[in-house]
Amino acid sequence: SQQGEEDPQALSIQEGENATMNCSYKTSINNLQWYRQNSGRGLVHLILIRSNEREKHSGRLRVTLDTSKKSSSLLITASRAADTASYFCATAYTGANSKLTFGKGITLSVRP
Amino acid sequence: GAGVSQSPRYKVTKRGQDVTLRCDPISSHATLYWYQQALGQGPEFLTYFNYEAQPDKSGLPSDRFSAERPEGSISTLTIQRTEQRDSAMYRCASSPGLVTGELFFGEGSRLTVL
Repeated sequence: SQQGEEDPQALSIQEGENATMNCSYKTSINNLQWYRQNSGRGLVHLILIRSNEREKHSGRLRVTLDTSKKSSSLLITASRAADTASYFCATAYTGANSKLTFGKGITLSVRP
Repeated sequence: GAGVSQSPRYKVTKRGQDVTLRCDPISSHATLYWYQQALGQGPEFLTYFNYEAQPDKSGLPSDRFSAERPEGSISTLTIQRTEQRDSAMYRCASSPGLVTGELFFGEGSRLTVL
């Protein structure tokens, strides 16, 4: 079953705006990852944040992790039309070594 | 190889037939995963391998599903006596280490059972 829950389910923004996507999970984790999927293509890894980290940056991406609230946020700054895709959070739960559990995803549309 | 390669990319079969899907992971990657993804959903974990060992196959939906990785590299996923509900995208991914890190996904094999 899918343990992570992303919200919103869908997000539509104008090019240049920031996009914020949230993920909540249920039990303690080793790490949390975000992936992007374009139109049914393969998933591409974006960023990984470990349970002892609170914030991480990669280019226009910023990820935060709040283990007390069991939640994470992905911020994409200065969005581009090419950022249009589905975004998934995935969690590696403590004790479930090597098993990565994905959420249902968020559909992001960036209007040119 | 340079990336994770899956074959066939598309497979149409009739209900009751057996199907085998193949995954060729990135060379030297220790861990290999199989996921099932329905349209509009996230990938659902099926099973994974650490080299040739298969520590977790809890996600396999029924005993009609089996996977193997006999030499710790190429893996196959076999679905026996296919049913219409097996129609989905089957995705393979590999990862360098034994601890869950970044996964590298293939393009997937789309299975349609008529």
